[in-house]
Amino acid sequence: AQRVTQPEKLLSVFKGAPVELKCNYSYSGSPELFWYVQYSRQRLQLLLRHISRESIKGFTADLNKGETSFHLKKPFAQEEDSAMYYCALSRGSSNTGKLIFGQGTTLQVKP
Amino acid sequence: DSGVTQTPKHLITATGQRVTLRCSPRSGDLSVYWYQQSLDQGLQFLIQYYNGEERAKGNILERFSAQQFPDLHSELNLSSLELGDSALYFCASSVAGGAQGYTFGSGTRLTVV
Repeated sequence: AQRVTQPEKLLSVFKGAPVELKCNYSYSGSPELFWYVQYSRQRLQLLLRHISRESIKGFTADLNKGETSFHLKKPFAQEEDSAMYYCALSRGSSNTGKLIFGQGTTLQVKP
Repeated sequence: DSGVTQTPKHLITATGQRVTLRCSPRSGDLSVYWYQQSLDQGLQFLIQYYNGEERAKGNILERFSAQQFPDLHSELNLSSLELGDSALYFCASSVAGGAQGYTFGSGTRLTVV
């Protein structure tokens, strides 16, 4: 079965410190992986998708198929990065398109 | 504005009642997804519709039902409400499958008292 695991419920760092939000997945095929961000229980916003290999707001994520991981990283955290971050998996080209979300990690950036 | 519109934004109702949540997808998107977000369960996939037809079903209770209309808007009906149904209900849309990611609406906050 497909599963997304975010092992940390809360990650607290100081402003300017590096951030790594962990995401591991289990899926036997070729998944599409995403990171979504949610500020203060507002709508979820797409932050990154692995197929585009882009950097948004200084965040990057690399898909490691060997370790089945898709960790989200930022070299220098900002206070405005404080939010809930969800890792999600889609079953590649499957036409159901259902996204499977991890439980989420709250990032708290302290001044 | 993400392009996905959900109404109402807030809803307070009593146990045993029935409510309808509405979602208008982003223009051009054919798929609509419903998710429930509660503090203890995280984001739970409920159901997906694609161009009017049910495409995938998740952890949706029998008391809940949904449909997608010819104009592609969708409604989620919740009946015989219980206190535990209190949650944020999100709608998302995508062009077809979700391989490119979704666009989420702002959610409907349902409180059952």
